[in-house]
Amino acid sequence: AQKVTQAQTEISVVEKEDVTLDCVYETRDTTYYLFWYKQPPSGELVFLIRRNSFDEQNEISGRYSWNFQKSTSSFNFTITASQVVDSAVYFCALSDFTGNQFYFGTGTSLTVIP
Amino acid sequence: ETGVTQSPTHLIKTRGQQVTLRCSSQSGHNTVSWYQQALGQGPQFIFQYYREEENGRGNFPPRFSGLQFPNYSSELNVNALELDDSALYLCASSDGTESYNEQFFGPGTRLTVL
Repeated sequence: AQKVTQAQTEISVVEKEDVTLDCVYETRDTTYYLFWYKQPPSGELVFLIRRNSFDEQNEISGRYSWNFQKSTSSFNFTITASQVVDSAVYFCALSDFTGNQFYFGTGTSLTVIP
Repeated sequence: ETGVTQSPTHLIKTRGQQVTLRCSSQSGHNTVSWYQQALGQGPQFIFQYYREEENGRGNFPPRFSGLQFPNYSSELNVNALELDDSALYLCASSDGTESYNEQFFGPGTRLTVL
């Protein structure tokens, strides 16, 4: 069965600190996709990244970086030099290839203190 | 380009009633997915519609049903409302059903069942 675990429920950091959000997934599929979304207080989910199971290259986008390790079934997300605007709930999600089944973790609430 | 819109924003119903939530997909998108997000939880996949047909369903009872119209807008209907149906209902549209197609989320409808 597919499952996404985000063990960190809440994290608080002081502005400019680096923070890593953990995501561990379970799936029996060989082809799958992993995602990170940001949910600000307004409620709308904002897409951050998609990674397929065959691409284990780490990715960096500005202050954001992602570390995908199939060996540990993890897809962790790091924010460098955090800012107050990064305060939100972050969700990791897993989908099979067809895209008609989607599994979200329970989210990590990040608070960046000025 | 118009984003995903949902109506109403908020809704209060009593147990046993029926409710219809609406979603207008982003221009050019033919696929709509619906999610239920209980307070403090991650979104749970309800179902997906592609070209007016249901294309996948999560673990929700039949009293959760949907429709997609020729213009690709969609409705979520919930019959015999229960207290546990209180949640934020999110819809997302995409251009195609596969996982590599980015989903764009609407702001959600907050349903409260009393």
